[in-house]
Amino acid sequence: GENVEQHPSTLSVQEGDSAVIKCTYSDSASNYFPWYKQELGKGPQLIIDIRSNVGEKKDQRIAVTLNKTAKHFSLHITETQPEDSAVYFCAASKGNTPLVFGKGTRLSVIA
Amino acid sequence: GAVVSQHPSRVICKSGTSVKIECRSLDFQATTMFWYRQFPKKSLMLMATSNEGSKATYEQGVEKDKFLINHASLTLSTLTVTSAHPEDSSFYICSARTGDHYGYTFGSGTRLTVV
Repeated sequence: GENVEQHPSTLSVQEGDSAVIKCTYSDSASNYFPWYKQELGKGPQLIIDIRSNVGEKKDQRIAVTLNKTAKHFSLHITETQPEDSAVYFCAASKGNTPLVFGKGTRLSVIA
Repeated sequence: GAVVSQHPSRVICKSGTSVKIECRSLDFQATTMFWYRQFPKKSLMLMATSNEGSKATYEQGVEKDKFLINHASLTLSTLTVTSAHPEDSSFYICSARTGDHYGYTFGSGTRLTVV
């Protein structure tokens, strides 16, 4: 089955700097790659997603890139703000299968 | 956008009792819902896939007699933790696949504490 690896497990950045989180997946048939933000005591919130027919997607300060050949995808957050502090999860699926999650990255944005 | 409502948000129960958690899709029909369990500072682990009108599919290692899942309508799935024990204490989260085939929306989670 699918296996998703996520790095780093923790990340601290200064406010205004960029943050990058990377994930790799094992199943070449996976075609949907969402990123979720989870705040303490809450459910995950979708922040951006990408499908396998696209190499990059951007939404304001957030962007995701996908390299299908290397089977990895990355989350980029620019101009980080304290409210970006949370746990971020990447995930992968084949579209009709449950999401398989990475282990999460705890992002701390230091003011 | 798609909204999944999960209740209760927190519940404390005594050992040996049962607890029901509800997951509702508010503005769309969810033929498939998923139940996850999350331990502190850990990732989400899939427990089962719930399909409307049929039996749930449980992941390996998940006791189907302990974690009863019912998906009787296109907008409601329930998870019942039967004969709860302290080791069942965890954060339970439901998710529903939205109509665009790829989208998954999550509930706000239920913090279960068994004392």
